[in-house]
Amino acid sequence: DVKVTQSSRYLVKRTGEKVFLECVQDMDHENMFWYRQDPGLGLRLIYFSYDVKMKEKGDIPEGYSVSREKKERFSLILESASTNQTSMYLCASRRDGNTGELFFGEGSRLTVL
Amino acid sequence: RKEVEQDPGPFNVPEGATVAFNCTYSNSASQSFFWYRQDCRKEPKLLMSVYSSGNEDGRFTAQLNRASQYISLLIRDSKLSDSATYLCVVIRYGQNFVFGPGTRLSVLP
Repeated sequence: DVKVTQSSRYLVKRTGEKVFLECVQDMDHENMFWYRQDPGLGLRLIYFSYDVKMKEKGDIPEGYSVSREKKERFSLILESASTNQTSMYLCASRRDGNTGELFFGEGSRLTVL
Repeated sequence: RKEVEQDPGPFNVPEGATVAFNCTYSNSASQSFFWYRQDCRKEPKLLMSVYSSGNEDGRFTAQLNRASQYISLLIRDSKLSDSATYLCVVIRYGQNFVFGPGTRLSVLP
């Protein structure tokens, strides 16, 4: 079974804090993604990575950065958290060339006070 | 206008009912189409792909109309376990998945 593991299920941070969300997948997938999910807006793509050390901006990259130093790990960084970044963050991975199936982690619910 | 639109519901149906969800997409360059299912407080999971010729998986039937840029999902003989949010997903530019906001289904005993 593919497993995508997100380091924290629930986080509470203060405005201005730096936040790291970690994601690890165990199936040697080339592609990894970070989404945020908000009611009525669905999942929106923040950043994605085709392979190690590669990263591409998604639809809403402002206020976020990412790191992919190893193939299995894709980190999302909020340099200075703001209240409008309160959301559910979902990491996903996919084998390159397998177009349809994204494997998601269980999500990290971030609250910024 | 959102790139992928769905009726948010909720759809409340009795067990055994047939229910249909619709989805429209605005980008004619969209290449591939899928339905994902998301249970309450869980992550989304792939339900089925959607092919131009239409495809069926047990009680689920998916259809695509490229000319109208419209995708549908039909669930026959609804079960309580079908209660979830159904997400319409479109792939554009070969890589980016675009998710609709989802349609919530509650199957009632």
